[in-house]
Amino acid sequence: AQSVTQLDSQVPVFEEAPVELRCNYSSSVSVYLFWYVQYPNQGLQLLLKYLSGSTLVKGINGFEAEFNKSQTSFHLRKPSVHISDTAEYFCAVIRSGNTGKLIFGQGTTLQVKP
Amino acid sequence: GAGVSQSPSNKVTEKGKDVELRCDPISGHTALYWYRQSLGQGLEFLIYFQGNSAPDKSGLPSDRFSAERTGGSVSTLTIQRTQQEDSAVYLCASSPGTFTDTQYFGPGTRLTVL
Repeated sequence: AQSVTQLDSQVPVFEEAPVELRCNYSSSVSVYLFWYVQYPNQGLQLLLKYLSGSTLVKGINGFEAEFNKSQTSFHLRKPSVHISDTAEYFCAVIRSGNTGKLIFGQGTTLQVKP
Repeated sequence: GAGVSQSPSNKVTEKGKDVELRCDPISGHTALYWYRQSLGQGLEFLIYFQGNSAPDKSGLPSDRFSAERTGGSVSTLTIQRTQQEDSAVYLCASSPGTFTDTQYFGPGTRLTVL
């Protein structure tokens, strides 16, 4: 079965420090990869997605992610975080040839401290 | 333009009652998805509509759950004989059409079953 694993449930970090949120997936077929963010009391918003091409994907708010097929990973990074980045982050996949249903990881709560 | 809207924003019901949750997708979006977000299960896919095609119901947890989409626009998710384990936030998303298109999420309906 296809699954997505977010290795850290919570990541505390100080403002202006770099951060990496880890995501691994398991699939025997090609997948498309996504990161969504959920700010407190708000809906899910797409940060970035990887469909094909360059394995380094840049998204909104200074975030980027790198697709690593050999390690089946799609880690999210930001070189310098802000208080406003405090939110829950979800990694998700869509299986190639599927109906577009997103399969989500359990989420990582990023807590940015002043 | 207007985003995905959902109503009601909150719904409290008694065990055994039926509930209806409504989703208004972004105008022109042909694909519509329902997901459920709960503490125990995280974010789960429920059902997917695409144009006039038969819906993908593979995520519905039981036959108490059903959904319809009228006129290719508004969708209603119905839960019959609600149980306490149905308590969750029900999210609707729409996308322009192809399965790798960005899904735009609504704010959700928080369902509490007493």
